[in-house]
Formats: sequence, structure tokens, C-alpha cells
Amino acid sequence: AQRVTQPEKLLSVFKGAPVELKCNYSYSGSPELFWYVQYSRQRLQLLLRHISRESIKGFTADLNKGETSFHLKKPFAQEEDSAMYYCALGWPGTYKYIFGTGTRLKVLA
Amino acid sequence: EPEVTQTPSHQVTQMGQEVILRCVPISNHLYFYWYRQILGQKVEFLVSFYNNEISEKSEIFDDQFSVERPDGSNFTLKIRSTKLEDSAMYFCASSERRPFGQVLYPYQPQHFGDGTRLSIL
Repeated sequence: AQRVTQPEKLLSVFKGAPVELKCNYSYSGSPELFWYVQYSRQRLQLLLRHISRESIKGFTADLNKGETSFHLKKPFAQEEDSAMYYCALGWPGTYKYIFGTGTRLKVLA
Repeated sequence: EPEVTQTPSHQVTQMGQEVILRCVPISNHLYFYWYRQILGQKVEFLVSFYNNEISEKSEIFDDQFSVERPDGSNFTLKIRSTKLEDSAMYFCASSERRPFGQVLYPYQPQHFGDGTRLSIL
């Protein structure tokens, strides 16, 4: 069955330090992967999607099919990056997304 | 930037009562979704809706749940007889085109609303 795993519930880093939020998925075909961010109980906002290969707010994510991973990275964390980050998986033939349990990122001053 | 809007932001209801959660999707979007998030748990898919019918639903979406697009702008989720375990944040989402279309159609992601916090007493 399809699954998304975000192994860290909480990740604390100091401002200016690199950040990597891990996401692994289970799906044997061609997945669609996303990162959504939720600031302080606000809406889920689309941060990145693997198909566009863009960088938003300094974040990047690369799909690694061999490792079935889609880790989110930022070289220098900012305090305003503190939020809940969710990795989501979609795939052909379905309308739904499957979400991971989320990682809370805390950037310390 | 256009947004999905949801009302109310917080709904408190007695167990056994019916509740209707409302959503206004982004105006040119054709696909609509409901998800829920029980406190401390992951976001879970409930149902997707296209062309005035359910296109996919999860096992959570049982006979107590129904969805409707009563007019050209609103999309509603109704829970007929609420249970304590229905307490959760309910998110509406919409997308412009089929999430996984054919080669000619670009992929369009789902855009989420702020959610409605449903508290069952």
C-alpha cells in the first residue's frame, strides 16, 4: 500500500544552519510528490512539487526514485521557516493525496 | 492570489446532531476534495468530487457523510449524525484540472482552505 513516512516529529536547528526534512514514500510506479507547509494552524500551503523542480523560499527537494525519497532542504534556515511541514504523495489513477505525519521545524535564534 | 475559503472556522455541535461544513473553491477549479485531520494525527483524504459526482472516497467516508455542490460556487460536507470521533479539522481543497491528466494536460496541485475545526460535545 502507498505510504509516506516522515521520521522526525520535531526538528530544531539554529538560524543560519542547514535544514533537511526527510520524506520517504512507498509506491512502485511514477509518483507525484509535494511539500506543504502549515504556519501556526493556518492553511496547508503548497511549498514545492517535484514536477516543477523549482526553489521556493530557498527550499529545494529532489525526487530520488532509487531511495524512494523526497527530502526537503534549505542551506540556511531562517526564523520565519518555523512551521509544520508535510510531505504528500499522489499517483496516477487516484484523486487523493496521502500525507505523512508531518515534521515541526523550529528555527532557534 | 485566489484562495479556497471555508466557513465556519470553528463549529461546536452536540453529538448526534447534523452539521454542514461549507467551502468555496477557487472559481476556475473543477475538482473538489475534503480531508480531515484529527488532533495530533495526519491529514486524511475523505472524498473527491468532479462533475457533480463523487470520483473517489476513502473508507472513512461512510453513509454518515455526504457532499454536495448546491450552486455554482459552494461545496459542502454534511455529517448526518455526528459522533465524538468526528471531532477534527476539516480541510476543503480544489484543483484546476485532474491531478494526473494525460500528457497534454499539465499537472495542477490541490489548494487547501484554512479548515473548519469541528468540536463534538
